[in-house]
Amino acid sequence: KAGVTQTPRYLIKTRGQQVTLSCSPISGHRSVSWYQQTPGQGLQFLFEYFSETQRNKGNFPGRFSGRQFSNSRSEMNVSTLELGDSALYLCASSWFPDTNYEQYFGPGTRLTVT
Amino acid sequence: AQSVTQLDSHVSVSEGTPVLLRCNYSSSYSPSLFWYVQHPNKGLQLLLKYTSAATLVKGINGFEAEFKKSETSFHLTKPSAHMSDAAEYFCVVSFIIQGAQKLVFGQGTRLTINP
Repeated sequence: KAGVTQTPRYLIKTRGQQVTLSCSPISGHRSVSWYQQTPGQGLQFLFEYFSETQRNKGNFPGRFSGRQFSNSRSEMNVSTLELGDSALYLCASSWFPDTNYEQYFGPGTRLTVT
Repeated sequence: AQSVTQLDSHVSVSEGTPVLLRCNYSSSYSPSLFWYVQHPNKGLQLLLKYTSAATLVKGINGFEAEFKKSETSFHLTKPSAHMSDAAEYFCVVSFIIQGAQKLVFGQGTRLTINP
């Protein structure tokens, strides 16, 4: 069974631009979560989607948004990029949003903002 | 509130010696707890999970962890370290808020293995 895939793997953008990251969950998984990883803040929860609905969002500004499609694939968008948005963005999927189900992580998208 | 504290930011051991990575948690509910490992430039891989069944949990690659409610701890151990164990390890508490699953991560422990 294929794992979680994320595209692109690496991205370089300029301040003020916007970016869209994509995540394809494991087949059959319906819940997708996004996390931001930085050396200073560690791993922080961005948002979670289930059945095309955002069910929870972390403490991030409105520049960070996302969506989920009917095939469970998800995208996240960051508008008006800032230098501090440079990070590894991780996507994780699980069969169902329940604490008994572990989340499986993709390899991440490394975003560099210059 | 749910939180996780990994007591050591860096642990260094010699190959073949035991590994102990410490984790304390705070949770308003009966927690689900996980340990994940991250190798350089890779995503996170699940090592093991605790979901209110047996308190001693065995995971992959010889790792195990013991849930101790009285001490609010979930320490990760391995009897004999291998060079391939060098990585960053994250202790994670999982809970449901407003119907959505949310993970709270510890700050991570970097494990170094000396030859």
